[in-house]
Amino acid sequence: GDSVTQMEGPVTLSEEAFLTINCTYTATGYPSLFWYVQYPGEGLQLLLKATKADDKGSNKGFEATYRKETTSFHLEKGSVQVSDSAVYFCALSSGGYQKVTFGTGTKLQVIP
Amino acid sequence: NAGVMQNPRHLVRRRGQEARLRCSPMKGHSHVYWYRQLPEEGLKFMVYLQKENIIDESGMPKERFSAEFPKEGPSILRIQQVVRGDSAAYFCASSPTGGTSYEQYFGPGTRLTVT
Repeated sequence: GDSVTQMEGPVTLSEEAFLTINCTYTATGYPSLFWYVQYPGEGLQLLLKATKADDKGSNKGFEATYRKETTSFHLEKGSVQVSDSAVYFCALSSGGYQKVTFGTGTKLQVIP
Repeated sequence: NAGVMQNPRHLVRRRGQEARLRCSPMKGHSHVYWYRQLPEEGLKFMVYLQKENIIDESGMPKERFSAEFPKEGPSILRIQQVVRGDSAAYFCASSPTGGTSYEQYFGPGTRLTVT
């Protein structure tokens, strides 16, 4: 079945540091890939997505590139802010409808 | 355009009681999904519904859990005879149609506590 593996947290960074959160996936066919963000006490918000190989999703300074050859979708940001502190979920959907499979989440804490 | 609405936001039930969680999808969305998030874990798919139809309930426990999405009104996730292990955050999401390229829009969740 489909699965998503992402690096375990928590990840603690200083403000303005470079962020990478690794994500790899296993899926049949050609899935769509997503990054969601969850702020404390809130639901998930879509951060970015990519629907085919070599697509780059980007939003709010975050980027991720759909790498079919390595089955990866790593999240990056060049300079994190305290307001980026949240839990980040890598996810995919496949199979003709949008049943989404989530990774376990990576908690990011950015300190001033 | 209002987002996905869920109520209640917090629900406390004693063991053996019933829990009813409601989800109103975004306007124009006819597809609803329920997920459960246990403490310190990711979201797990439970069920996918369209109006008056259950499309995929492969993630639903076989007993005590049921879901519906009637022609009129919100989608309901019902948990009968709750146990402590049901304590979790339950999230509803909606999309305008099926297909893998449409993202899901999530509600704020209902946090169920079973005492």
